[in-house]
Amino acid sequence: EPEVTQTPSHQVTQMGQEVILRCVPISNHLYFYWYRQILGQKVEFLVSFYNNEISEKSEIFDDQFSVERPDGSNFTLKIRSTKLEDSAMYFCASSGTVYEQYFGPGTRLTVT
Amino acid sequence: GENVEQHPSTLSVQEGDSAVIKCTYSDSASNYFPWYKQELGKGPQLIIDIRSNVGEKKDQRIAVTLNKTAKHFSLHITETQPEDSAVYFCAALRPGNTPLVFGKGTRLSVIA
Repeated sequence: EPEVTQTPSHQVTQMGQEVILRCVPISNHLYFYWYRQILGQKVEFLVSFYNNEISEKSEIFDDQFSVERPDGSNFTLKIRSTKLEDSAMYFCASSGTVYEQYFGPGTRLTVT
Repeated sequence: GENVEQHPSTLSVQEGDSAVIKCTYSDSASNYFPWYKQELGKGPQLIIDIRSNVGEKKDQRIAVTLNKTAKHFSLHITETQPEDSAVYFCAALRPGNTPLVFGKGTRLSVIA
Protein backbone atom coordinates (compact mmCIF):
# COMPACT_ATOMS: atom_id res chain seq x y z
CA GLU A 1 0.00 0.00 0.00
CA PRO A 2 1.47 3.39 -0.95
CA GLU A 3 2.49 5.61 1.92
CA VAL A 4 3.99 9.00 2.64
CA THR A 5 7.59 8.83 3.79
CA GLN A 6 9.60 11.45 5.68
CA THR A 7 13.25 11.96 6.48
CA PRO A 8 14.91 12.32 8.84
CA SER A 9 12.87 10.74 11.61
CA HIS A 10 14.62 12.93 14.18
CA GLN A 11 16.58 16.14 13.66
CA VAL A 12 18.44 17.96 16.37
CA THR A 13 19.66 21.46 15.58
CA GLN A 14 20.93 24.53 17.33
CA MET A 15 18.89 27.70 17.52
CA GLY A 16 19.50 29.89 14.49
CA GLN A 17 20.46 27.03 12.20
CA GLU A 18 18.63 26.11 9.01
CA VAL A 19 16.86 22.78 8.69
CA ILE A 20 15.27 21.03 5.75
CA LEU A 21 12.65 18.39 6.33
CA ARG A 22 11.97 16.03 3.46
CA CYS A 23 8.87 14.20 2.36
CA VAL A 24 8.00 11.85 -0.46
CA PRO A 25 4.24 12.04 -1.00
CA ILE A 26 2.19 9.22 -2.43
CA SER A 27 2.82 9.12 -6.16
CA ASN A 28 0.01 10.55 -8.31
CA HIS A 29 -1.21 12.71 -5.43
CA LEU A 30 -1.56 16.37 -6.33
CA TYR A 31 -2.10 18.14 -3.01
CA PHE A 32 0.59 18.41 -0.41
CA TYR A 33 0.56 19.71 3.14
CA TRP A 34 2.77 20.34 6.13
CA TYR A 35 1.37 20.17 9.64
CA ARG A 36 3.07 20.31 12.99
CA GLN A 37 2.26 18.93 16.42
CA ILE A 38 3.81 20.28 19.58
CA LEU A 39 4.16 17.53 22.15
CA GLY A 40 0.80 16.57 23.61
CA GLN A 41 -1.14 19.09 21.55
CA LYS A 42 -3.32 18.94 18.49
CA VAL A 43 -2.13 18.85 14.92
CA GLU A 44 -1.82 22.35 13.41
CA PHE A 45 -1.82 23.30 9.76
CA LEU A 46 1.22 25.07 8.33
CA VAL A 47 0.91 25.19 4.56
CA SER A 48 -0.74 23.57 1.56
CA PHE A 49 0.79 23.25 -1.90
CA TYR A 50 -0.81 22.55 -5.23
CA ASN A 51 0.28 23.00 -8.83
CA ASN A 52 3.74 24.10 -7.74
CA GLU A 53 2.58 26.93 -5.56
CA ILE A 54 1.34 27.61 -2.07
CA SER A 55 -2.44 27.37 -1.84
CA GLU A 56 -2.88 28.45 1.73
CA LYS A 57 -0.72 29.09 4.77
CA SER A 58 -1.36 29.66 8.44
CA GLU A 59 -0.07 32.45 10.63
CA ILE A 60 2.57 30.03 11.90
CA PHE A 61 4.07 29.85 8.43
CA ASP A 62 6.01 33.11 8.52
CA ASP A 63 8.99 34.31 6.48
CA GLN A 64 11.27 31.81 8.19
CA PHE A 65 9.43 28.93 6.53
CA SER A 66 9.45 27.90 2.89
CA VAL A 67 8.34 24.89 0.89
CA GLU A 68 9.58 23.48 -2.34
CA ARG A 69 8.92 20.61 -4.69
CA PRO A 70 12.40 20.34 -6.21
CA ASP A 71 11.57 17.37 -8.42
CA GLY A 72 8.67 15.10 -9.24
CA SER A 73 8.78 13.18 -6.00
CA ASN A 74 10.12 15.24 -3.10
CA PHE A 75 8.39 17.93 -1.07
CA THR A 76 10.49 19.88 1.41
CA LEU A 77 9.94 22.24 4.31
CA LYS A 78 12.77 24.63 5.14
CA ILE A 79 13.10 26.61 8.35
CA ARG A 80 15.77 29.27 7.81
CA SER A 81 16.65 30.24 11.35
CA THR A 82 15.21 27.85 13.89
CA LYS A 83 13.84 29.00 17.23
CA LEU A 84 13.28 27.00 20.39
CA GLU A 85 9.53 27.13 19.81
CA ASP A 86 9.93 25.38 16.46
CA SER A 87 10.55 22.15 18.35
CA ALA A 88 7.71 19.85 17.36
CA MET A 89 6.73 16.89 15.22
CA TYR A 90 6.36 17.91 11.61
CA PHE A 91 4.03 15.87 9.45
CA CYS A 92 3.79 15.86 5.71
CA ALA A 93 0.48 14.81 4.15
CA SER A 94 -0.68 14.25 0.61
CA SER A 95 -4.03 13.86 -1.06
CA GLY A 96 -5.26 12.87 -4.47
CA THR A 97 -8.70 14.37 -4.13
CA VAL A 98 -8.47 17.23 -1.59
CA TYR A 99 -10.46 15.12 0.82
CA GLU A 100 -8.55 12.09 2.11
CA GLN A 101 -5.21 13.31 3.44
CA TYR A 102 -2.61 10.69 4.23
CA PHE A 103 0.07 11.53 6.75
CA GLY A 104 3.68 10.49 6.95
CA PRO A 105 5.33 9.20 10.13
CA GLY A 106 6.70 12.64 10.98
CA THR A 107 10.04 14.26 11.74
CA ARG A 108 10.75 15.13 15.32
CA LEU A 109 12.58 18.46 15.32
CA THR A 110 14.44 19.39 18.47
CA VAL A 111 15.93 22.89 18.65
CA THR A 112 18.47 23.41 21.41
CA GLY B 1 -12.51 30.21 10.72
CA GLU B 2 -13.41 26.67 11.58
CA ASN B 3 -13.12 25.48 15.18
CA VAL B 4 -13.42 21.85 16.23
CA GLU B 5 -14.11 20.81 19.80
CA GLN B 6 -13.53 17.21 20.89
CA HIS B 7 -14.66 15.32 24.01
CA PRO B 8 -13.62 13.59 26.12
CA SER B 9 -9.90 14.25 26.32
CA THR B 10 -9.32 10.84 27.90
CA LEU B 11 -11.42 7.70 27.84
CA SER B 12 -10.85 4.35 29.50
CA VAL B 13 -12.97 1.33 28.64
CA GLN B 14 -12.86 -2.35 29.41
CA GLU B 15 -11.95 -4.65 26.57
CA GLY B 16 -15.09 -5.59 24.69
CA ASP B 17 -17.00 -2.47 25.66
CA SER B 18 -17.89 0.33 23.25
CA ALA B 19 -16.20 3.72 23.06
CA VAL B 20 -17.74 6.94 21.79
CA ILE B 21 -15.88 10.15 21.01
CA LYS B 22 -17.75 13.32 20.09
CA CYS B 23 -16.82 16.41 18.12
CA THR B 24 -18.54 19.65 17.25
CA TYR B 25 -17.62 22.07 14.50
CA SER B 26 -18.45 25.71 13.98
CA ASP B 27 -18.39 26.32 10.23
CA SER B 28 -21.58 25.09 8.56
CA ALA B 29 -19.72 25.08 5.22
CA SER B 30 -17.52 22.17 6.35
CA ASN B 31 -18.44 19.09 4.36
CA TYR B 32 -15.85 16.43 5.16
CA PHE B 33 -15.11 14.89 8.57
CA PRO B 34 -12.27 12.39 8.94
CA TRP B 35 -11.09 10.54 12.02
CA TYR B 36 -7.44 9.78 12.60
CA LYS B 37 -5.78 7.32 14.96
CA GLN B 38 -2.34 8.21 16.24
CA GLU B 39 -0.20 5.64 17.96
CA LEU B 40 2.79 6.64 20.02
CA GLY B 41 5.59 8.03 17.87
CA LYS B 42 3.66 7.65 14.62
CA GLY B 43 1.78 9.90 12.25
CA PRO B 44 -2.01 10.21 12.20
CA GLN B 45 -3.64 7.33 10.35
CA LEU B 46 -6.93 7.92 8.56
CA ILE B 47 -9.36 5.29 9.87
CA ILE B 48 -12.76 6.48 8.68
CA ASP B 49 -14.37 9.56 7.21
CA ILE B 50 -17.80 10.89 6.36
CA ARG B 51 -19.07 13.52 3.97
CA SER B 52 -21.90 15.89 4.69
CA ASN B 53 -24.34 14.16 2.35
CA VAL B 54 -24.25 11.04 4.52
CA GLY B 55 -25.55 10.55 8.06
CA GLU B 56 -23.69 7.42 9.04
CA LYS B 57 -20.88 5.25 7.81
CA LYS B 58 -19.63 1.96 9.17
CA ASP B 59 -16.47 -0.07 8.65
CA GLN B 60 -16.36 -3.26 10.68
CA ARG B 61 -16.10 -2.23 14.37
CA ILE B 62 -15.87 1.48 13.60
CA ALA B 63 -18.73 3.81 12.74
CA VAL B 64 -19.11 7.55 12.36
CA THR B 65 -22.32 9.53 12.60
CA LEU B 66 -22.95 13.09 11.48
CA ASN B 67 -25.65 15.53 12.52
CA LYS B 68 -25.37 18.51 10.19
CA THR B 69 -28.13 20.47 11.91
CA ALA B 70 -26.42 20.29 15.27
CA LYS B 71 -22.96 20.41 13.71
CA HIS B 72 -21.60 17.46 15.53
CA PHE B 73 -20.16 14.08 14.59
CA SER B 74 -19.13 11.06 16.58
CA LEU B 75 -16.84 8.05 16.37
CA HIS B 76 -18.13 4.75 17.69
CA ILE B 77 -15.85 1.79 18.31
CA THR B 78 -17.54 -1.46 19.29
CA GLU B 79 -15.98 -4.56 20.86
CA THR B 80 -12.87 -2.61 21.78
CA GLN B 81 -9.52 -4.37 21.83
CA PRO B 82 -6.22 -3.41 23.49
CA GLU B 83 -4.80 -2.48 20.08
CA ASP B 84 -7.46 0.21 19.81
CA SER B 85 -5.58 2.12 22.50
CA ALA B 86 -4.28 5.32 20.90
CA VAL B 87 -5.05 9.02 20.53
CA TYR B 88 -7.97 9.71 18.22
CA PHE B 89 -8.39 13.02 16.42
CA CYS B 90 -11.44 14.31 14.64
CA ALA B 91 -11.12 16.94 11.94
CA ALA B 92 -13.24 19.06 9.66
CA LEU B 93 -12.63 20.35 6.16
CA ARG B 94 -14.29 23.13 4.21
CA PRO B 95 -14.82 22.82 0.45
CA GLY B 96 -11.88 23.48 -1.82
CA ASN B 97 -8.20 22.96 -1.21
CA THR B 98 -8.35 23.93 2.44
CA PRO B 99 -6.54 22.57 5.46
CA LEU B 100 -7.90 20.09 7.95
CA VAL B 101 -8.83 21.63 11.30
CA PHE B 102 -8.24 19.14 14.07
CA GLY B 103 -9.77 18.63 17.47
CA LYS B 104 -7.50 18.34 20.48
CA GLY B 105 -7.61 14.55 20.55
CA THR B 106 -8.93 11.80 22.79
CA ARG B 107 -6.59 9.36 24.48
CA LEU B 108 -8.38 6.02 24.47
CA SER B 109 -7.17 3.29 26.78
CA VAL B 110 -8.64 -0.18 26.43
CA ILE B 111 -8.05 -2.19 29.56
CA ALA B 112 -7.67 -5.93 29.12
